[in-house]
Amino acid sequence: TQLLEQSPQFLSIQEGENLTVYCNSSSVFSSLQWYRQEPGEGPVLLVTVVTGGEVKKLKRLTFQFGDARKDSSLHITAAQPGDTGLYLCAGESTRSEKLVFGKGTKLTVNP
Amino acid sequence: SQTIHQWPATLVQPVGSPLSLECTVEGTSNPNLYWYRQAAGRGLQLLFYSVGIGQISSEVPQNLSASRPQDRQFILSSKKLLLSDSGFYLCAWSVPARGGLETQYFGPGTRLLVL
Repeated sequence: TQLLEQSPQFLSIQEGENLTVYCNSSSVFSSLQWYRQEPGEGPVLLVTVVTGGEVKKLKRLTFQFGDARKDSSLHITAAQPGDTGLYLCAGESTRSEKLVFGKGTKLTVNP
Repeated sequence: SQTIHQWPATLVQPVGSPLSLECTVEGTSNPNLYWYRQAAGRGLQLLFYSVGIGQISSEVPQNLSASRPQDRQFILSSKKLLLSDSGFYLCAWSVPARGGLETQYFGPGTRLLVL
């Protein structure tokens, strides 16, 4: 079974701080996606990374896919209260083409 | 544009009662459809997925079942709910991409509380 471990599980920071959350596995994934989920709602896709070493930027968010396609990171610069939510990574399994989800990092940005 | 609907939004049911959650997708044809369960705001567990009408694959043995009576309708059911069935149920759809990347789009979810 391909598993994704996300860390930290919980993160509480002040507005304006920078942060990085991680998504790690011992398995290789064809691609990796990051979602943000707000309470009581479904996850919303932020980005998909496909190539090992790929870096994508979405305004203040920077996503990186590891060279070996086993891990990924999400860096947020100058966090804002609107960034608060559950950040989920999901890898496309090389065996079944289905998504495998991590348990998420719950981020709280305090004003 | 495509939209996905789930209902009800919230449901409180007694142990042993039946369950029927519905998911419908608009604006696309022959989507792949998925049911996930999320416990306590954490990771998503894939329960069922479907690549076409009447085609259901189960990922986790349980007392739940799924059906796809129409192309864009996906139903999650149970004959007798257990306490452990409580959770946040999410439906998702994707455009089939043979050998390629699929992006899944999630519905708003149904929060189920079994008492």
